This record gives sequence, C-alpha cells and structure tokens, in this order.
Amino acid sequence: AQKVTQAQTEISVVEKEDVTLDCVYETRDTTYYLFWYKQPPSGELVFLIRRNSFDEQNEISGRYSWNFQKSTSSFNFTITASQVVDSAVYFCALRNYTGANSKLTFGKGITLSVRP
Amino acid sequence: NAGVTQTPKFRILKIGQSMTLQCAQDMNHNYMYWYRQDPGMGLKLIYYSVGAGITDKGEVPNGYNVSRSTTEDFPLRLELAAPSQTSVYFCASSYPEVNTEAFFGQGTRLTVV
Repeated sequence: AQKVTQAQTEISVVEKEDVTLDCVYETRDTTYYLFWYKQPPSGELVFLIRRNSFDEQNEISGRYSWNFQKSTSSFNFTITASQVVDSAVYFCALRNYTGANSKLTFGKGITLSVRP
Repeated sequence: NAGVTQTPKFRILKIGQSMTLQCAQDMNHNYMYWYRQDPGMGLKLIYYSVGAGITDKGEVPNGYNVSRSTTEDFPLRLELAAPSQTSVYFCASSYPEVNTEAFFGQGTRLTVV
C-alpha cells in the first residue's frame, strides 16, 4: 500500500521568511511519481510540480524549489522569501503504477500562513 | 477551457435524503476520481474509474455509489445522507500514465443536517 505523510499540520511565518514543507512517502513500487498541489483559500486545487522516481535532480522555479531524496523517501518543498499570497494548504501526493490502475494518494496537507 | 466541471457548488441535505453530485470533463481523460476533503484529513479517495463502464472502490466508499456510462461523466450518488457525509467533494480526471497530474473540479460543499 502507498502512503504519504505530511507531519507538519500548520506553519506560520512572517513575510520574506523561507519555509520548507516536508513530505515523506511509502511505496513498494519502483516506478512512481510525486506531486505537490496548492489549495488557496478559494478552494481549488492547483498542480505545482511532479517528479519521477528515477530523477533525483532538485528543481528550482522562481521562489519555489523541491528536494527529492529517494534514500529518505522525502520530497520537500521550499518557498524562498515567502509572500502573503503563498498562504494556502499544500498537499503532497504519490501516484504509482499498480497493474492496470494508477491512483493518486494524498497526504493530509500543510496549512501555511504567511503574515505581513 | 472548461476542464472538470462539478455541480452543484453548495448543497444542504437533510438526513436520509438522496442526491447526485455531477462531474463532467472535456479533456478526454480515461481516469476519473471522487475525493472527499475533511478538515485536517487531506483528500480521501471514494471511488475511481479507469474508463467508461469500469469503476472501483477507493479508501472510503461506504454510503456512495458511482457509474461511468461515458468517458465525460462520472456522477457520485449519495443514497441515504448522513451527517458523516458532510464534507467538500472533489472530482478529478487524468490520463492513465503515471506521470500525469490530475485536474480537479472546483468542489462541492455538502452539508447534511
């Protein structure tokens, strides 16, 4: 069975601070993808990034960066110089290939509050 | 650019009533999903479908039913509403390949009183 754990439940920072959101996953598959989604106060789910199980190269996109470490089964997400607009719930998700069906499993989410 | 469309956006049901949450996608995705989101609990998979005529249970299927007669539509049926079904429901769709993300609808906020 696959599982995604986001141990942090709520994080509060002051604008311009850096913040890292942790994600740990469990799967027996060797082929899988990891995702981060953002859910702003308006409620919709917005896809941010995907990373495959064979690519441990970290990625930076503007103020966002992702650190994937297969050895520790972690896929952490860092926001540099946070802004109020980053306030949202952030979900880490895992999708693995299980026979004919490939399902998306989510963590419980981390509520990030960025104060001015 | 409709994507995934859910209706209604809000609904209040009385205990024991039935209703159908509608979901339609126009991206020709094979896979469709229903999730429920409860505060602090993340998204839990209720049912999913890998194509027309094929559905399967997710993590929390009790009290719900689905059907998939077309590629585009994936309605979720609540037969006898209970307060425990008060939640926000999200429909999503994706291609079958493991490297593809899911696209989500705007959600339906359901309250059972």
